[in-house]
Amino acid sequence: RKEVEQDPGPFNVPEGATVAFNCTYSNSASQSFFWYRQDCRKEPKLLMSVYSSGNEDGRFTAQLNRASQYISLLIRDSKLSDSATYLCVVNRGSAGKSTFGDGTTLTVKP
Amino acid sequence: GAGVSQSPSNKVTEKGKDVELRCDPISGHTALYWYRQSLGQGLEFLIYFQGNSAPDKSGLPSDRFSAERTGGSVSTLTIQRTQQEDSAVYLCASSPGQPGQPQHFGDGTRLSIL
Repeated sequence: RKEVEQDPGPFNVPEGATVAFNCTYSNSASQSFFWYRQDCRKEPKLLMSVYSSGNEDGRFTAQLNRASQYISLLIRDSKLSDSATYLCVVNRGSAGKSTFGDGTTLTVKP
Repeated sequence: GAGVSQSPSNKVTEKGKDVELRCDPISGHTALYWYRQSLGQGLEFLIYFQGNSAPDKSGLPSDRFSAERTGGSVSTLTIQRTQQEDSAVYLCASSPGQPGQPQHFGDGTRLSIL
């Protein structure tokens, strides 16, 4: 089993839709969590950190469920520019290594 | 610059040659990662440096791959006797190395083996 697992998709949604991605992790000692966005042929870029109490940044909401060991990303009112691959990242903390999921591909269509 | 710098941006070489890829992390970042990404695939972890600790080399695919980090800053990834399957984008990332701090990526080196 992979340490971090994501549904690869693709998710194809119309503009304005709400879409959610989940990411599960296997190491219960994981301490830090992030969502990254990667556009085609570009490097990954930090989208948002994921905090224990959940956090929101505009149309994006991230949540953490430690009991079930998953994090989620919700995108409301999808835009064409949201089309990308979304990567979840889990860090063990205490200078431990970060592990990336393989990503979920989102295509937002007019 | 303030970001992670990688060089060269592109490298084309013949099968069997050795290549060196360079990563200059953000100043003060103690953690440095190398990843490989083939077209349409996810990130493949290669190696992780954290401060003065022994590097985590668990992702290196073969003994043709090696990396070093001199003085806790610049890192070089070396691939010996390159093969066509080594063709990929090689990405470097750095972070402050403390819990809760994300990685920041360079633009990558696109390596093509003929």
